[in-house]
Amino acid sequence: DIQMTQSPSTLSASVGDRVTITCRASQTISSWLAWYQQKPGKAPKLLIYKASSLESGVPSRFSGSGSGTEFTLTISSLQPDDFATYYCQQYDSDTFTFGQGTKLQIK
Amino acid sequence: EVQLLESGGGLVQPGGSLRLSCAASGFTFRNYAMSWVRQAPGKGLEWVSGISGSGINTYYADSVKGRFTISRDNSKNTLYLQMNSLRAEDTAVYFCAKEESGSHGHPFDMWGQGTMVTISS
Repeated sequence: DIQMTQSPSTLSASVGDRVTITCRASQTISSWLAWYQQKPGKAPKLLIYKASSLESGVPSRFSGSGSGTEFTLTISSLQPDDFATYYCQQYDSDTFTFGQGTKLQIK
Repeated sequence: EVQLLESGGGLVQPGGSLRLSCAASGFTFRNYAMSWVRQAPGKGLEWVSGISGSGINTYYADSVKGRFTISRDNSKNTLYLQMNSLRAEDTAVYFCAKEESGSHGHPFDMWGQGTMVTISS
């Protein structure tokens, strides 16, 4: 199976900060990568697909980049609603895998 | 409104069985692949199983292969997960999720609210 490794596991930041989360794949996955946001007790929400395409309705402060094995999710200016846990997911292989998650908390 | 509603969770003893259901509405169910994703308490997301829109092709994580069976009834707009030989490590919230295409291999653009499965004696 393709392993997905996110860093950092926890990130403390303030409203207005620019933050970046990294996701690395154990083998190349081209651009078949998605990012999700999950808040406590809720289902995940799709933010980014195909590494850099913004899902409809998602604010433009979210952006994704990368290809091959290294990917990033950037939030350009943190808003109060953005404090949540973020997951990357590869869908290059038939057996999908998620990263372990990055918890974004208020500093 | 697009909606996915899971049901069937509960408390089961180790070695037991359970069948989860996911009722879909608001979209043409047969046109989209579906998956089950689980989340153990306080842990991350784990993809469990997927099925194509036609139901012909199925896919499983190694952790559940041979114990779980995914299926769908397109006439009833419902996705199922039959879980046998349950273990303590299967304890989790189980989400059903809709893929963006009829073939498996796309991100999830819609999720249900989840149903809790607890395996304990």
